[in-house]
Amino acid sequence: AQSVTQLGSHVSVSEGALVLLRCNYSSSVPPYLFWYVQYPNQGLQLLLKYTTGATLVKGINGFEAEFKKSETSFHLTKPSAHMSDAAEYFCAVRRATGSARQLTFGSGTQLTVLP
Amino acid sequence: EAQVTQNPRYLITVTGKKLTVTCSQNMNHEYMSWYRQDPGLGLRQIYYSMNVEVTDKGDVPEGYKVSRKEKRNFPLILESPSPNQTSLYFCASSLGSGNTIYFGEGSWLTVV
Repeated sequence: AQSVTQLGSHVSVSEGALVLLRCNYSSSVPPYLFWYVQYPNQGLQLLLKYTTGATLVKGINGFEAEFKKSETSFHLTKPSAHMSDAAEYFCAVRRATGSARQLTFGSGTQLTVLP
Repeated sequence: EAQVTQNPRYLITVTGKKLTVTCSQNMNHEYMSWYRQDPGLGLRQIYYSMNVEVTDKGDVPEGYKVSRKEKRNFPLILESPSPNQTSLYFCASSLGSGNTIYFGEGSWLTVV
């Protein structure tokens, strides 16, 4: 079984400050890891993903995340927050091998950017 | 343009009245799935399908049915909706396990 824990259901940062959204996962097999963003009244958009290879992955809108196997973490960061980053962010894990289940999502983190 | 299209986008219905939410993708994807999104719970998988005529239960399948008769379509059926099925529903598709998953825009369903 796989699971995802997002620490902090709400995070507030000032515009220009570092954004750090935390995600820890559990998986019995090598995982694929994803971050999705959901803007108000919209569907989910892929920010970035880790499948294999380089553990630091860069995504859209200046976001990046680092896969740390020893810590079972995949935290999302952005050096400087922008007002347009205000949204809900979801971390997700997926089995890398075999068939069966698709994504398991975390419960989400609502990011507020303060002027 | 690559798309996952859901209909209806908004629906208010009454308890017990059967309804179907359609989902169609134009990317020839094998994998399709349905999720529901509830505050504080994130997205939870209802059903998924790995190919035509191959479906399986997700985390919260009770009260739902699906079918996959064609590759492009994956309808979600609520035979007898109840108020606890009031939620935001997303359909999704992908080519394979490591590929990007594309989401529809969501269907707001209210059961009164």
